[in-house]
Amino acid sequence: GQQLNQSPQSMFIQEGEDVSMNCTSSSIFNTWLWYKQDPGEGPVLLIALYKAGELTSNGRLTAQFGITRKDSFLNISASIPSDVGIYFCAGQLGGYGNKLVFGAGTILRVKS
Amino acid sequence: GAVVSQHPSRVICKSGTSVKIECRSLDFQATTMFWYRQFPKQSLMLMATSNEGSKATYEQGVEKDKFLINHASLTLSTLTVTSAHPEDSSFYICSARFQGAHEQYFGPGTRLTVT
Repeated sequence: GQQLNQSPQSMFIQEGEDVSMNCTSSSIFNTWLWYKQDPGEGPVLLIALYKAGELTSNGRLTAQFGITRKDSFLNISASIPSDVGIYFCAGQLGGYGNKLVFGAGTILRVKS
Repeated sequence: GAVVSQHPSRVICKSGTSVKIECRSLDFQATTMFWYRQFPKQSLMLMATSNEGSKATYEQGVEKDKFLINHASLTLSTLTVTSAHPEDSSFYICSARFQGAHEQYFGPGTRLTVT
């Protein structure tokens, strides 16, 4: 089946630093989504990307839909302690009814 | 907007009993709802997709007679874990999608512990 390779698996960074994570696949996706999950809670949608090459920001977060449609990255600028959590990328093949394929997640820990 | 709730948030049940988990879209009509299972430190594993008014589509390896899904209205889907066993203990999360959207909005999850 389709797989997303998400990296890095985990990061331990200093407060104030910028963070970058990415997802790659051998499959072409029509939509890329980035979610954040806090411990014991459900994932929260951060950014949705719909077109190849699209660059979208949400506050300190910026994500891009790769030109080849096989990858996406998420950047977090000036990290703060509340950025701690697990970040998942998710790709959707085909149309509206199609299910999401999730990456394995990137665990972000911030040193204050 | 796009708020999804789940009830209960935590449940402990004895082995052999059944447990029902509710998933509700609070401020939109969800034509499709999804049920996921998540083990500690792992990603989300899709169990089934349910469309309002029709039978759920289960992923390979998921027993449909054990995990009963009902999507009776555009705002409510239920997952019933029948004859629960300790290995069914997990974090169950639902998500919902409204018609014409690509995004899925997730509920807060239900922690099931089977003793």
